[in-house]
Amino acid sequence: QLQLQESGPGLVKPSETLSLTCSISGGSISSDNNYWAWIRQPPGKGLEWIGHVYYSGSTFYNSSLKSRVTMSVDTPNNQFSLRLYSVTAEDTAVYFCAVGYSSGWFLYNWGQGTAVTVSS
Amino acid sequence: IVMTQSPATLSVSPGERATLSCRASQSVNVNLAWYQQKPGQAPRLLIYGASTRATGVPARFSGSGSGTEFTLTISSLQSEDFALYYCQQYINWLTFGGGTKVEIK
Repeated sequence: QLQLQESGPGLVKPSETLSLTCSISGGSISSDNNYWAWIRQPPGKGLEWIGHVYYSGSTFYNSSLKSRVTMSVDTPNNQFSLRLYSVTAEDTAVYFCAVGYSSGWFLYNWGQGTAVTVSS
Repeated sequence: IVMTQSPATLSVSPGERATLSCRASQSVNVNLAWYQQKPGQAPRLLIYGASTRATGVPARFSGSGSGTEFTLTISSLQSEDFALYYCQQYINWLTFGGGTKVEIK
């Protein structure tokens, strides 16, 4: 069964770049049937879609974050990544990676999430 | 598209039926999913296409609706069903509702 695992620093300083990686096991990032997404959840709040990336490299970003986000795939290592630039305290959240079907943008499997705090 | 869930909190006794609502600010046809989230865990897909249960989801969970009004029904609440529930539209990018917490009455 497809499993996802996020990794990256738990603490990032304001104005710096948040970098996270999602490692995939039990499946291939090269599947044309899937897309690979990042979602975040600030403490005590709801879910916010950040964006997603296809194996081809095509990306779709939340318009509210688009100017600060980059997503990419790393095929040899079967993983994909998120970079969020110029972070502030409002970017403090649990960050989830997830996978969906290309035929419909719902998310059928999620990583366990990783908490990221933005603080000096 | 703004997704609005109601109520924010639903108090239900075990064995009773729970009905959760989700409204879209404009039509999403049936491009609507429901997720369950327990404390400290990732969301779990329950329903997609407004009414199709995801793999392994018990039959007591059912989804209905189309356009702008949707419902998630849990026919007989089990102890493991007390959790947060989110709806999500996927006709125009992805947006989530604010969630409904189902708590023990």
